[in-house]
Amino acid sequence: ETGVTQSPTHLIKTRGQQVTLRCSSQSGHNTVSWYQQALGQGPQFIFQYYREEENGRGNFPPRFSGLQFPNYSSELNVNALELDDSALYLCASSLGSHAWAEAFFGQGTRLTVV
Amino acid sequence: GIQVEQSPPDLILQEGANSTLRCNFSDSVNNLQWFHQNPWGQLINLFYIPSGTKQNGRLSATTVATERYSLLYISSSQTTDSGVYFCAVAYGGSQGNLIFGKGTKLSVKP
Repeated sequence: ETGVTQSPTHLIKTRGQQVTLRCSSQSGHNTVSWYQQALGQGPQFIFQYYREEENGRGNFPPRFSGLQFPNYSSELNVNALELDDSALYLCASSLGSHAWAEAFFGQGTRLTVV
Repeated sequence: GIQVEQSPPDLILQEGANSTLRCNFSDSVNNLQWFHQNPWGQLINLFYIPSGTKQNGRLSATTVATERYSLLYISSSQTTDSGVYFCAVAYGGSQGNLIFGKGTKLSVKP
């Protein structure tokens, strides 16, 4: 059984640029959620994808967007990067989008915006 | 929305000591998970425990859903237990996304 994998592990971008982060869900899981974790804080929900559709969104601006592919893998895109976007981005997969589904996380992508 | 509070925020132990971490939540939940975040940032699943008691080796957890709290017990702590422990909940109105507490940072000294 393959766990959740994310790429890249580290990334440095310049303010104003765009970035794409990738996530492969755990085998058999059809739902992917993305979280942003600032230093010293708990992860904050960005959005969730289920059956290739956005299925819920946290308090993040539209320049945060995503995709889910037929194999359930997902991308997180951030446009017009700001310094405050520097954070650890975590992807989680689950079987189903309901509240009682257990979530499993990848190792994260650490994004630094300079 | 639902509030999740973890205590204590920081905990320093000598190797071999026992500890109890607490998670309070402000409303009924369908999902409660405990995670250990390792130094590289990965969240490791410890327990899926919306109610009841579970044990896994030196770790155990209890959730009393009617009183809206969960406890994580670590016995005979080891230096490898160091890191940040997060409690996260989900409920019907959260569409499955997890709401995290701020974590408890545990340091186990040799």
